Amino acid sequence: NAGVTQTPKFRVLKTGQSMTLLCAQDMNHEYMYWYRQDPGMGLRLIHYSVGEGTTAKGEVPDGYNVSRLKKQNFLLGLESAAPSQTSVYFCASSPGTGYLNEQFFGPGTRLTVL
Amino acid sequence: AQSVTQPDIHITVSEGASLELRCNYSYGATPYLFWYVQSPGQGLQLLLKYFSGDTLVQGIKGFEAEFKRSQSSFNLRKPSVHWSDAAEYFCAVAPRNSGGSNYKLTFGKGTLLTVNP
Repeated sequence: NAGVTQTPKFRVLKTGQSMTLLCAQDMNHEYMYWYRQDPGMGLRLIHYSVGEGTTAKGEVPDGYNVSRLKKQNFLLGLESAAPSQTSVYFCASSPGTGYLNEQFFGPGTRLTVL
Repeated sequence: AQSVTQPDIHITVSEGASLELRCNYSYGATPYLFWYVQSPGQGLQLLLKYFSGDTLVQGIKGFEAEFKRSQSSFNLRKPSVHWSDAAEYFCAVAPRNSGGSNYKLTFGKGTLLTVNP
């Protein structure tokens, strides 16, 4: 099992450019999440999905869009990147909620927006 | 609103010394509790979790945590720290209710552990 994988690992964008981050999990988990991690801020939830074809907003959704067309994949899109979106992005998945909410994390994508 | 507080931003200990990392939560009811570890340049890995029952929970890598309801705390401990334990540690909580918010894992801001040789 590869667990949770993220592509790419690093990316540098110019302001206004767009890109898509890909997250894939092979654990057949229903729930998937996108977080951003910034120094001193911990992890903040951007968007999440409770199943194939569903998405919902988290704490900091502005400037991002997501799609979950297949159960194993969760895509995070930046339509027009801004320097404030420079961050490390983590994808996670979990088998359920509450006591099943043990989230498994990918290795992260380090994004710099110039 | 629920919150998780890790009062120590940075802790330094000597190799072989004991360790305690603090975590306090503010919640309407006792949530599910987790500790994660993040090594430099890596994603987060679950160390241990508390759901119910015995308030002393054993995890991986020799870590344990104790849930204290009266103090709303879930402190992480290790009797003897190894240099490889240097990392950032995150406490997290998830609500017990079956309502719409029980997907949500709320993280503390982390405690960075430095281990001196």
